[in-house]
Amino acid sequence: AQKVTQAQTEISVVEKEDVTLDCVYETRDTTYYLFWYKQPPSGELVFLIRRNSFDEQNEISGRYSWNFQKSTSSFNFTITASQVVDSAVYFCALRNSGYALNFGKGTSLLVTP
Amino acid sequence: DAGVIQSPRHEVTEMGQEVTLRCKPISGHDYLFWYRQTMMRGLELLIYFNNNVPIDDSGMPEDRFSAKMPNASFSTLKIQPSEPRDSAVYFCASRPGLAPGELFFGEGSRLTVL
Repeated sequence: AQKVTQAQTEISVVEKEDVTLDCVYETRDTTYYLFWYKQPPSGELVFLIRRNSFDEQNEISGRYSWNFQKSTSSFNFTITASQVVDSAVYFCALRNSGYALNFGKGTSLLVTP
Repeated sequence: DAGVIQSPRHEVTEMGQEVTLRCKPISGHDYLFWYRQTMMRGLELLIYFNNNVPIDDSGMPEDRFSAKMPNASFSTLKIQPSEPRDSAVYFCASRPGLAPGELFFGEGSRLTVL
C-alpha cells in the first residue's frame, strides 16, 4: 500500500518568513516518483516539481527548495522569504508502479503581510 | 497549446438529477484521470484510462457513477441519480505515455447537489 501524509493541516506565517511543508510517504516499491502541486485560491492544480526515487539531490528553484530523504521517507518543501502570493494549499503526491498519483490531504499555507 | 478543458465549470442540480461532466485532454496524451476533491477526503482518484480503455475504476464510489472515453479527445463522468454527498470539485487530468510524467489538470468542475 502507498500513503502520503502531510501532518500540517494549516500554517500561517508573516511575509518574508521561511516556511517548510512536510511530506512523509510510504511505499513498498523501490521505484517511485514524488510530486508537489500548488492549489491557489482560484482552484486549479499547478505542478511544481517531480522527483524519482533514484535521485536524492535536493533542488532549488528561486525561493522554492525541496529536500528528499529516502532514509526518513520524506520529501519536504521549503519556501524562503514567503510572499502573500504563496498563499495556497500545497499537495504532496506519490506515484509508484501505477500511473495515478496518490495525494496527501494538503497543507494550507496563509502568508499575511 | 490548450490545456485540459473541463465543462461545465459550475453545476448546481437537485438530488436525483443526472449530471454529466466533460473533459477534453491535451492532444497526444495517452492517459486520462478523473479525481474528486472534497474537504473531508481530499483528492481521490475515481478512474483512469489509457488509450481510451479504463484501467482502474476501483475509486468509483458506486454504481451511480460511470465514466466513458469514446475517443482520444473526450471523456465523460456521469452521476445518475445525483445525491447531496456527491457535491465536490471534479478534476480531469491527462499525461503523455512517457514515464514518469506529471499530471496536467483541468480547472475542475464544481458540482453542488441540493
